[in-house]
Formats: sequence, C-alpha cells, structure tokens
Amino acid sequence: DIQLTQSPTFLSASVGDRVTITCRASQGITNYLAWYQQKPGKAPNLLIYTASTLQTGVPSRFSGSGSGTEFTLTISSLQPEDFATYYCQQLKTYPYTFGQGTNLEIK
Amino acid sequence: EVQLVESGGGLVQPGGSLRLSCAASGFSFSDYTMNWVRQAPGKGLEWVSYISSRSNTIYYADSVKGRFTISRDNAKKSLYLQMDSLRAEDTAVYYCARVTYDILTGYGYWGQGTLVTVSS
Repeated sequence: DIQLTQSPTFLSASVGDRVTITCRASQGITNYLAWYQQKPGKAPNLLIYTASTLQTGVPSRFSGSGSGTEFTLTISSLQPEDFATYYCQQLKTYPYTFGQGTNLEIK
Repeated sequence: EVQLVESGGGLVQPGGSLRLSCAASGFSFSDYTMNWVRQAPGKGLEWVSYISSRSNTIYYADSVKGRFTISRDNAKKSLYLQMDSLRAEDTAVYYCARVTYDILTGYGYWGQGTLVTVSS
C-alpha cells in the first residue's frame, strides 16, 4: 500500500500568512493526488486534484504543486475561513489512502 | 445540484450487522464510480471501498475486506454498504463520495455522513 505522510501535523498561523503543507508518498504516484479541507462536523471539501488543478469554486489563494513523491498545498494569504484540517489523498492505486491530516489553527 | 444523502447508521453490538444507504440525486448516477470513506471520532479519513459505475470493479480496504460488501442499484440511484461482523474499531462517521469526473480527479461530492457506533 502507498503511505502518505503529511507535514506538519499541526500548524499555527495568522490571518494573512502564507502557509505550505507537504505530502510525501512512499512510492511514486505521478500527479494523482488530491487535497481536501475539512471543518469540524462537516464532510471534506475537495480543493485540488491531479496535484495542481483547482476544483471549481475554490479560491485562487489555494494552489498545489508536485509530482512523483513530494507534493505541496499552499495558501497564499490565510483567511479566517481557512482554519481547518487538510488531507491529501493518492488516487494512483487502491487502497486510495489519505494522509494523516494537518490541523491549521489560528495563532 | 448534486446531492448524496446517507442513512442507516446507528448503534449496533459487536458482531452485529448494519446496512448503509446513500441516495443520489442531481446527476446521472450510473455514469460515476462511487466510494465509501469513514472517519473514526477525532481521527483522520480512511478510504473504505470503491465500486465502478457498472459494479464490475470493486475494491476494499484490508481493514474491512471479507466483512463489508459494497453494492449499487443504478435504477434506484442508490449506493449501499453491507457491514457484517462489526467491531468496535468500525465506529465512525461513514460518508459516501462521488468522483468529480473520474477516479483521478478526487471526490468532489460528499454526503453529510451517517454515524455508526459499535458498542455493547
């Protein structure tokens, strides 16, 4: 199975900050990676797929990059509504594993 | 508007069974692969199972293989998860999720989730 490791696990930042979350895969997954945002008590929301394609309706302050085994999600200028937990997911092969999550908190 | 509505969750004893349903609307259900994803209380997301549009390809996570069965009824626009031999570690919110366009584009649509609690 492909393992995904996100870093950091916890991140404290302020409104307006630029933040980057990393997702590393245990083997190459080309660009078959998605990023999700989840707020407490809600279903996850797809932000990015195929590593860098922004899902319709997602603000342009979110961006994704990477290929192979290393990927990043960047939020260019944090807004109050961005404080949430973020997950990456590989879609190269089943089981379609998720990373353990990154909890983004307000500093 | 795409809508996915799960039902069937509840409290069940260890070793018991439960059948989850996911009612789909707002899109051509028979054209899309579907998945179940779960989240234990306070934990991260865990992919559970996948079914192709015509049910000819099915996958399971190792943690549920042999105990859970995914199925779909395209005429009824419904997805199911039959859960047998339930364990305490199966306690979670269960989400059905539709791929955005195809499997490579992630899960663009999710239901609200249904809580399954396995406890005596």
